[in-house]
Amino acid sequence: GDSVTQMEGPVTLSEEAFLTINCTYTATGYPSLFWYVQYPGEGLQLLLKATKADDKGSNKGFEATYRKETTSFHLEKGSVQVSDSAVYFCALRGTGANSKLTFGKGITLSVRP
Amino acid sequence: GAVVSQHPSRVICKSGTSVKIECRSLDFQATTMFWYRQFPKKSLMLMATSNEGSKATYEQGVEKDKFLINHASLTLSTLTVTSAHPEDSSFYICSAMARWYQETQYFGPGTRLLVL
Repeated sequence: GDSVTQMEGPVTLSEEAFLTINCTYTATGYPSLFWYVQYPGEGLQLLLKATKADDKGSNKGFEATYRKETTSFHLEKGSVQVSDSAVYFCALRGTGANSKLTFGKGITLSVRP
Repeated sequence: GAVVSQHPSRVICKSGTSVKIECRSLDFQATTMFWYRQFPKKSLMLMATSNEGSKATYEQGVEKDKFLINHASLTLSTLTVTSAHPEDSSFYICSAMARWYQETQYFGPGTRLLVL
């Protein structure tokens, strides 16, 4: 079945540091890939997505590229801010009419001033 | 736009009682709603999918008689944890898919359930 693997956390960075959060997936066909963010006390919000190979999703300075050859969708940001502190979930939706979201375990990012 | 609310945000109950959690799409009609359970340091686990006016589809291993789901309207779904036990303590999250945009799910803020 479909699965998503995220790097182990938590991650602690200083403000303005470069961020990479790894995500790899296993799925048949051509899934859509997502990054969701959960700020403290809030629900999950869609951060960015990509629906086909080589697509790059971007939002709020975050980027991720759909790499089919490596089955990866790593999240990057060039300069993190304290306000980026949150839990980040990688997810995929498989192909098919009844496909569901499959989430990774999530990783907690803490950014120090 | 596309806001999903949950109520209550936090609930503590005694073992053996039932607890109802509401999920509402505030500014859109949700054809499909999803209920997830999130364990500490673990991923979201899909419990069930509900479509307005029809019975929910439960994931394998989820007891439908224990976790009753009702999707009575296009803006409201409820999850009732019946005869709750301490092992049911968890973070329950709902999400809704808009009629007009089937690709994106909008998530509620979650409900923390503690069963004593």
